[in-house]
Amino acid sequence: SQQGEEDPQALSIQEGENATMNCSYKTSINNLQWYRQNSGRGLVHLILIRSNEREKHSGRLRVTLDTSKKSSSLLITASRAADTASYFCATDESGGSNYKLTFGKGTLLTVNP
Amino acid sequence: DTAVSQTPKYLVTQMGNDKSIKCEQNLGHDTMYWYKQDSKKFLKIMFSYNNKELIINETVPNRFSPKSPDKAHLNLHINSLELGDSAVYFCASSFTQETQYFGPGTRLLVL
Repeated sequence: SQQGEEDPQALSIQEGENATMNCSYKTSINNLQWYRQNSGRGLVHLILIRSNEREKHSGRLRVTLDTSKKSSSLLITASRAADTASYFCATDESGGSNYKLTFGKGTLLTVNP
Repeated sequence: DTAVSQTPKYLVTQMGNDKSIKCEQNLGHDTMYWYKQDSKKFLKIMFSYNNKELIINETVPNRFSPKSPDKAHLNLHINSLELGDSAVYFCASSFTQETQYFGPGTRLLVL
């Protein structure tokens, strides 16, 4: 079953602007991860935030997690054309005996030069 | 220096054929995965192996059979290919419950 749902499905911005993507999920989680996929390539891990964390930074990326609302957001500041890609959230559902990531459908981000 | 590699990168074949995709990781990870990404970019897990043992087997037709000869390799064999099998197949690896590292994908087209 699908766990994460990203919003919006597509986002188009100008270089230098900030981009915010949201992810909602349904069950309790151990952690939530964000991945990037450039066109025709594999997924690349960006950041992992654990269920007991509320915010995490990595370079121009800021991730927040609200477990009460079962939602997360990914903020990319000062975007660049090279940030153009699809962004996926993935959740690791707690309580299961096997480790499994469930991916959302992704947000397609286009950064125009 | 490639961390997770897959072969072949592209695979075009006729319906009914049998094909295999190979995956190797040199990261020393103990867990490997196969994912299927459809034309709408939806990524779904198919199988997961931990130390050569199958631990996740999602609802996948039994025409798909994974094989893990050792911790660094996870191959996927598909029998009697169907049109609906056309997709991009990704291999990934990780230490258990941590970040997953993905291969470049195998683009399968069944005609």
